[in-house]
Amino acid sequence: DQQVKQNSPSLSVQEGRISILNCDYTNSMFDYFLWYKKYPAEGPTFLISISSIKDKNEDGRFTVFLNKSAKHLSLHIVPSQPGDSAVYFCAASEEGSNYKLTFGKGTLLTVNP
Amino acid sequence: SQTIHQWPATLVQPVGSPLSLECTVEGTSNPNLYWYRQAAGRGLQLLFYSVGIGQISSEVPQNLSASRPQDRQFILSSKKLLLSDSGFYLCACEGLGGGYTFGSGTRLTVV
Repeated sequence: DQQVKQNSPSLSVQEGRISILNCDYTNSMFDYFLWYKKYPAEGPTFLISISSIKDKNEDGRFTVFLNKSAKHLSLHIVPSQPGDSAVYFCAASEEGSNYKLTFGKGTLLTVNP
Repeated sequence: SQTIHQWPATLVQPVGSPLSLECTVEGTSNPNLYWYRQAAGRGLQLLFYSVGIGQISSEVPQNLSASRPQDRQFILSSKKLLLSDSGFYLCACEGLGGGYTFGSGTRLTVV
């Protein structure tokens, strides 16, 4: 049973536009959520996170929104740049889990010039 | 800042051969360490985690094992590789702020 779901395997947007990456989760015990970016043949790099006590966190061009009632979070990238093209993973953890992360399958974002 | 060294970057091994992937961490002490695998068409699956020397927890039944002989060393092993062990293996360390620092990964192809 997949506890973190990224239902869109891929997304294509034009440079300068907004990219919206979505993630749904089923485990109500998750209290910390993260987004990672991954280029081919490299390890993922941490992008942004949000605690369950917040509904929005912003860092430069990246904003994460959390809707706890819907068990849904999204990553907004504005404006999108060609260098943003990568696989984006949503991840979640439970308090007291020794920071074990449960990852989604990822969404491949392609930003076209 | 934390740095994770992971090697080798790529590995091609025949079925039935042994495996040893090594991960070392710099810039922190007594970290929580993790081995993840990314298989084709799947997300990142947690295989093992360790909260200290000699302490290993396995998340999924499998053909692999892990060991932590030193505080900053985490090893992933197998006595006999299966075709299904192919994938991209990532070592990770718990980072400040709750995120992980990942190593650069090992692409393992079992033939």
